[in-house]
Amino acid sequence: DVKVTQSSRYLVKRTGEKVFLECVQDMDHENMFWYRQDPGLGLRLIYFSYDVKMKEKGDIPEGYSVSREKKERFSLILESASTNQTSMYLCASLAGAYPSYEQYFGPGTRLTVT
Amino acid sequence: EDKVVQSPLSLVVHEGDTVTLNCSYEVTNFRSLLWYKQEKKAPTFLFMLTSSGIEKKSGRLSSILDKKELFSILNITATQTGDSAIYLCAVANSNSGYALNFGKGTSLLVTP
Repeated sequence: DVKVTQSSRYLVKRTGEKVFLECVQDMDHENMFWYRQDPGLGLRLIYFSYDVKMKEKGDIPEGYSVSREKKERFSLILESASTNQTSMYLCASLAGAYPSYEQYFGPGTRLTVT
Repeated sequence: EDKVVQSPLSLVVHEGDTVTLNCSYEVTNFRSLLWYKQEKKAPTFLFMLTSSGIEKKSGRLSSILDKKELFSILNITATQTGDSAIYLCAVANSNSGYALNFGKGTSLLVTP
């Protein structure tokens, strides 16, 4: 069974703080993704990575950066948290063996920025 | 710009009813359409559809894709309260590697 874990289920941070969200997968997957989920807006892709040290911007990368130093770990960084980054953050991974596009999701981190 | 549109956005039904959830898309270089179920946690995979007209079935859930009309439906028969969830539709295209483009979801509530 594929397991994707995220470092925190709930997180409360102050405006201006630097925030790290960690995601780890245990299946040697090449592709990893960060989404945020907001009511009425669905899941929106922030960044993804198809290999160690490789990253691609998604639809809403502004205000975020990522790091992939090891294959199993993909970190999302909020350089200076703002209240409009209050959201549910979901990490996902995918083996990348075409034709499968099935992504496996972590449990999510609900981040509140005050 | 690629678009994935789900309808309805929310739905309330009684146990035992049959529901149909819709997903239409406009994407370049379509590869596959996926359905996920999300309760109060991580989305879980239901189906992946790549070919038109071939129904995928799992218990009371089934789904089919129409690549000519650019839509998919997800059917749930004999609904149960445990079917209450957000149902997400996502589309993969060849432009974005393995990234998925999600719709906004349909929130289904099944009442006893």
